[in-house]
Amino acid sequence: AQRVTQPEKLLSVFKGAPVELKCNYSYSGSPELFWYVQYSRQRLQLLLRHISRESIKGFTADLNKGETSFHLKKPFAQEEDSAMYYCALAFNDYKLSFGAGTTVTVRA
Amino acid sequence: NAGVMQNPRHLVRRRGQEARLRCSPMKGHSHVYWYRQLPEEGLKFMVYLQKENIIDESGMPKERFSAEFPKEGPSILRIQQVVRGDSAAYFCASSGSVGNQPQHFGDGTRLSIL
Repeated sequence: AQRVTQPEKLLSVFKGAPVELKCNYSYSGSPELFWYVQYSRQRLQLLLRHISRESIKGFTADLNKGETSFHLKKPFAQEEDSAMYYCALAFNDYKLSFGAGTTVTVRA
Repeated sequence: NAGVMQNPRHLVRRRGQEARLRCSPMKGHSHVYWYRQLPEEGLKFMVYLQKENIIDESGMPKERFSAEFPKEGPSILRIQQVVRGDSAAYFCASSGSVGNQPQHFGDGTRLSIL
């Protein structure tokens, strides 16, 4: 069965410091992974997906099949990065399985 | 484009009543997905619909839950004879096609059962 684990429920960093959100998955097929973000009072929105291999708002994530991980990283956190972040795995083409989420707080 | 619209944002029901949650997909989207988020958990897939068809309802509880996406009007998630355990946030997403297209989410409906 597929499963997504985000071990950190809360993450607090200072502005300008690096931030890394951990995501591990288990899936027997070929994974397609996403990071979604939810800013305060806004809806869930797609941040990035591994197949596009692009950097959005300074965030990057690399799929490591050996470690079954898809950690999200940003070298210099900004206050506007404070949000809830969800890692998600797509299986059977369209079903998304989400982790429980990590709340990031960036302090000035 | 207003995006995916869900209503109501909050819904309170007493045990045994029916709950109806509505979702209008983004303009041009014909694929609708419903997810449920229980407290302290991630979103879990419930059902995938196209216009007038249920494609995959493997995540739906076997009883009391049903979904439809009629030719005209929004998609409806219906929960009959609600119980306390149905309290959750229900999210709807839509996409222009299945597969590689990203899913766009609505604001969700928070269902509370008294």
